[in-house]
Amino acid sequence: GENVEQHPSTLSVQEGDSAVIKCTYSDSASNYFPWYKQELGKGPQLIIDIRSNVGEKKDQRIAVTLNKTAKHFSLHITETQPEDSAVYFCAASRGGADGLTFGKGTHLIIQP
Amino acid sequence: EPEVTQTPSHQVTQMGQEVILRCVPISNHLYFYWYRQILGQKVEFLVSFYNNEISEKSEIFDDQFSVERPDGSNFTLKIRSTKLEDSAMYFCASSRATDRYDNQPQHFGDGTRLSIL
Repeated sequence: GENVEQHPSTLSVQEGDSAVIKCTYSDSASNYFPWYKQELGKGPQLIIDIRSNVGEKKDQRIAVTLNKTAKHFSLHITETQPEDSAVYFCAASRGGADGLTFGKGTHLIIQP
Repeated sequence: EPEVTQTPSHQVTQMGQEVILRCVPISNHLYFYWYRQILGQKVEFLVSFYNNEISEKSEIFDDQFSVERPDGSNFTLKIRSTKLEDSAMYFCASSRATDRYDNQPQHFGDGTRLSIL
């Protein structure tokens, strides 16, 4: 089955700097890659996703890149703000019936 | 904005007892999912459900687990005889996927914390 590895497990950046979180996946049949933000006591909230026919997608301060050949995808957050502090999860999926396979999560800490 | 709602937020149950976790998916969504997250670990897929039947299930989803859509709005997860290791956060999710190959965003509820004593 699919295996998703996520790095780093903890990332501390100064407010205003950029943060990058990286994930790799193992199943070449995976074609959908969402990123979720989880705040304390809440469920995962989708922040951006990318499909395998696209190499990059951007939404304001958040961008995701996908390299299908290398089987890795990354989340980029620019101009970080205190409210960006949370746990971020990457995930991969082959289709609507299949569940998402999640990475272990990255605890992002924004230092004021 | 429509959201997935889960009840209860916290459930405490004695080992060996049955427990039912409830979810109300987003109203026009057709695919429903259950996930669990053991404290400090990754979110793990349990089962997907479409058109009143299980679509896919993971190795975790063994005979002690079952899912049901008892009416037009609720989606439930039943654990028949709970074990200590069932203690976890259980998340329900739904998506507007229309077939097994249609990848659409999955929207999650805030979870039920299940504590087995």
